[in-house]
Amino acid sequence: EAQVTQNPRYLITVTGKKLTVTCSQNMNHEYMSWYRQDPGLGLRQIYYSMNVEVTDKGDVPEGYKVSRKEKRNFPLILESPSPNQTSLYFCASSKGLAGVNEQFFGPGTRLTVL
Amino acid sequence: SQQGEEDPQALSIQEGENATMNCSYKTSINNLQWYRQNSGRGLVHLILIRSNEREKHSGRLRVTLDTSKKSSSLLITASRAADTASYFCATAGGTSYGKLTFGQGTILTVHP
Repeated sequence: EAQVTQNPRYLITVTGKKLTVTCSQNMNHEYMSWYRQDPGLGLRQIYYSMNVEVTDKGDVPEGYKVSRKEKRNFPLILESPSPNQTSLYFCASSKGLAGVNEQFFGPGTRLTVL
Repeated sequence: SQQGEEDPQALSIQEGENATMNCSYKTSINNLQWYRQNSGRGLVHLILIRSNEREKHSGRLRVTLDTSKKSSSLLITASRAADTASYFCATAGGTSYGKLTFGQGTILTVHP
């Protein structure tokens, strides 16, 4: 089944404890992206990647890191999480660039930083 | 920065009625997409309309785009309880097809 998977689905952590949220797609998509969703603010793009080893900042990249070493994986790294990073995170992928291609979304990761 | 803004923020209708949601954006765009999100779940792509298109249909969905007014509308005809969800517009503009900016969404509730 074609899908985007994220792990973990739920995570509660403490301020400053490094964490990684994994994202994987099995559709051989070139483009992958991370978003965060907060009440009243909609979805905001954190980082995106147009291909292996090619990443770029979205609208809210501060406090996050990403890497794209393999086509199928695009992990999101929070080196020193803070409470303002408590949010619902979505990974998405598409055949090509997001602006001209249907995005396929993962199920989301709900992160709470205490 | 938030590009798209949906209107209304919430819409409540009865099954069988039509639902219209609007999206306004600030800068020029290449394309506009609409997505649907069931409560807390991942978004699902509904339709993409290009900047040189004025109207597009997909099943019970009708999307219009007015680039002179920088606005788009999504019409769902003969709504069903299963259409209850949040609906978002998303835009990519200028020279960047990589960045996708979402609006804040319209929460649609369809009562059986």
